Amino acid sequence: DGGITQSPKYLFRKEGQNVTLSCEQNLNHDAMYWYRQDPGQGLRLIYYSQIVNDFQKGDIAEGYSVSREKKESFPLTVTSAQKNPTAFYLCASSIVKGGTDTQYFGPGTRLTVL
Amino acid sequence: SQKIEQNSEALNIQEGKTATLTCNYTNYSPAYLQWYRQDPGRGPVFLLLIRENEKEKRKERLKVTFDTTLKQSLFHITASQPADSATYLCALGGRGSYIPTFGRGTSLIVHP
Repeated sequence: DGGITQSPKYLFRKEGQNVTLSCEQNLNHDAMYWYRQDPGQGLRLIYYSQIVNDFQKGDIAEGYSVSREKKESFPLTVTSAQKNPTAFYLCASSIVKGGTDTQYFGPGTRLTVL
Repeated sequence: SQKIEQNSEALNIQEGKTATLTCNYTNYSPAYLQWYRQDPGRGPVFLLLIRENEKEKRKERLKVTFDTTLKQSLFHITASQPADSATYLCALGGRGSYIPTFGRGTSLIVHP
């Protein structure tokens, strides 16, 4: 059963704490992405990775960090430097083959900062 | 700067009618346009892709049009059902880019 998994589904964090969101895919996709979605807002790109051990900042990378040590995994760390971390976080993957790639999304993680 | 506009107000229609959602864009020459469906608390799911040289695409009850002169795409669901109620996102992609830019989405509510 192929797809993208994200864990946990709900996450609560105290201010000042770092937290890591998990994203795993078994679709053998090259590219992986992290998006943030706020109520009434579109998807905003945080980080993306086209290949293992390489990743690029998206539009709103400040306060976030990622790693891509394995093709299947792309964890996102929300650091204490992120001023408004409460949001719905979506991980996605795609095959990189030139411009029309479908994005496959995980179920999302809802992060709430207390 | 690039801008994608989708109606922020929810579209309410009666079951059996055709739902039409709009995606307008400015300062952009997309090579393709995608439509996704998103249910509450879930990740978006890809529905259809249409390229810049295509006028129309169909898939079962879904139809997408793409007018590069008007800078607009229309997304139609015929014979709508309550199960079609969701938020629909359009996404535009440029030439040589594998990362689409997403609109904010429009909520569709189909009443029985």
